[in-house]
Parts: sequence; C-alpha cells; structure tokens
Amino acid sequence: DARVTQTPRHKVTEMGQEVTMRCQPILGHNTVFWYRQTMMQGLELLAYFRNRAPLDDSGMPKDRFSAEMPDATLATLKIQPSEPRDSAVYFCASGLVLSGTLHEQYFGPGTRLTVT
Amino acid sequence: DQQVKQNSPSLSVQEGRISILNCDYTNSMFDYFLWYKKYPAEGPTFLISISSIKDKNEDGRFTVFLNKSAKHLSLHIVPSQPGDSAVYFCAASPPRGSARQLTFGSGTQLTVLP
Repeated sequence: DARVTQTPRHKVTEMGQEVTMRCQPILGHNTVFWYRQTMMQGLELLAYFRNRAPLDDSGMPKDRFSAEMPDATLATLKIQPSEPRDSAVYFCASGLVLSGTLHEQYFGPGTRLTVT
Repeated sequence: DQQVKQNSPSLSVQEGRISILNCDYTNSMFDYFLWYKKYPAEGPTFLISISSIKDKNEDGRFTVFLNKSAKHLSLHIVPSQPGDSAVYFCAASPPRGSARQLTFGSGTQLTVLP
C-alpha cells in the first residue's frame, strides 16, 4: 500500500526556532510538492521538485523557507527562523510526470505546525 | 488573484439528498480538472476528474460536470452519506505538455446530516 509519509505529524515550537519537516514520496514518483494550508489562504503551493531538482519555489518566502531533496526518497522543508504566522498544516504530495504532464497528486497526512 | 474559486466555504445537506459543490475558474488554458476530498487530520485524496473534451464524468455516486463556456464545474454527490462529510477541493491543470502544477480552490466544507 504505497503512500506518502510525513514526519513529524505535529510540531509545536517557539518563535525563532528552526523547524524541519520531512516527506517520503511514493517510490517511483518523480515529482514532489510542498503545500501549506491555512484558514485564510486555503491550500497554497510553496515549492515543487522534478527528479529532485527544484522547478518552482515562487510560493515560498525565500528569506526563511528552504526546500530540498537530498535523495529521491526524502524531501525536506525547513523554516528558520520560524514565526507565529507560519502556523499551518504543511502537506507533501508526490506524483508521476509522463510526457510532460502531471495529473493526480497523492498527498501525505500533513504536519501541523504551531509556532508560539 | 485566485484562478480557481470555490465561493461557498460550507454546505449542509440532509442524508440521502443531493450535494452540489461548485467551482469557477478564470484561466481558459486549464483543460483538466480534479476534485479532492479531505478529512480532518488527513491529506487530501483524489476523488474524480474530468478532461475538457468532456462535459460529464461519473463514478458511482459522484458526477462531475464541466461547463467550459461558463468556466464552471460542479461535483454532484447522490445520495449523500454522513461519511461524505469532508472538505472538498477542486483543482485545475494546464494542457498536456505543460509541466505546471495543479491550481487548487480554497475548499468547501460539506456536512451531511443524518
């Protein structure tokens, strides 16, 4: 039963601390996405990778957020320093792009981040 | 500027009746549309999709209708069941050959009352 996994599921931290969220995409998928869900903005795309290379991170605050894929089985989203307005649920999703088209994305369960 | 809009944040329906969730889009380049369902504390899960060459796609109790001229799509659930209570997101994708990502709406919370 292939699925996207994310750790941690919950994180509470103080303002100014570094936060790292991890994602394991479905084996064989070549595209990984990071989304953030808030009450005000709904689901926002932060960044996405194709074959481990960043393709678009325009949705991400560059000064404090960074996203990487150290290898094909791990994607990370880091916030440093964290701020209360970063409190949200962060989703990772993966999918397979064939002939330049991605349709379905498979989401992980999310990491609920609370910054106090 | 939201290219995919779900103007109803919430909807309540009686069990057994029809649920209709609506979605509007502004980008005429979108040609593939999807609906996702999300339960609390879980990630969204794919529900049903439709290509722009069709105006209707049906899968069991779920039917998606697409009106390209109005740039509008809707998800019909009939009969509605309490287990359908969730947040529903519509999403749109640009044409084949594009490497762009899906664009999501802000979601509609559906509550099916027993």
